[in-house]
Amino acid sequence: AQSVTQPDIHITVSEGASLELRCNYSYGATPYLFWYVQSPGQGLQLLLKYFSGDTLVQGIKGFEAEFKRSQSSFNLRKPSVHWSDAAEYFCAVGISSGSARQLTFGSGTQLTVLP
Amino acid sequence: NAGVTQTPKFRILKIGQSMTLQCAQDMNHNYMYWYRQDPGMGLKLIYYSVGAGITDKGEVPNGYNVSRSTTEYFPLRLELAAPSQTSVYFCASSYGGSSGNTIYFGEGSWLTVV
Repeated sequence: AQSVTQPDIHITVSEGASLELRCNYSYGATPYLFWYVQSPGQGLQLLLKYFSGDTLVQGIKGFEAEFKRSQSSFNLRKPSVHWSDAAEYFCAVGISSGSARQLTFGSGTQLTVLP
Repeated sequence: NAGVTQTPKFRILKIGQSMTLQCAQDMNHNYMYWYRQDPGMGLKLIYYSVGAGITDKGEVPNGYNVSRSTTEYFPLRLELAAPSQTSVYFCASSYGGSSGNTIYFGEGSWLTVV
């Protein structure tokens, strides 16, 4: 079965600084990869997803992520963080079977943005 | 533009009580899901449905039941509530299976069992 690791439980950055959130997955073939964001008291919203093709994926709110097969990683980046980016971020991996059971979420990274 | 709607938003239950979390989606999605989110644990799939009349267990189904009589509604039933069921519950839906399609989430239901 696939698994997802988000090694950083909590990250603090200053507004305007760059951001990178790490995500590592374990799966034998090329997975489907997702980043979701959860604002306080809200459900999860999709930021971006990777299925195939270009390994650099652009998402909403100025986020991007890069799929690196050799490192089994799908790190999320943003060049300049805004205070409104403070939230919890979840990486998720799905396998290509299309089954509803086959989507696994990481444990999340809480982002704090300092003024 | 409602999307996925869950009720109630907050609920406190006593041990042994039962309740139903309601979920409705207006996007005509065939797949619907119930997840629970515990602190530091990410989301775990409780049950899912691939269409009206079809449901299946996810990773953590014990203590829960679901039904899907129509495309729009997917209620989650908690029987004999236990403190271990204190969690945040999310209903979600997608067009097609979750592994390759965007999932749309409701805003969550905070449940405390005391």
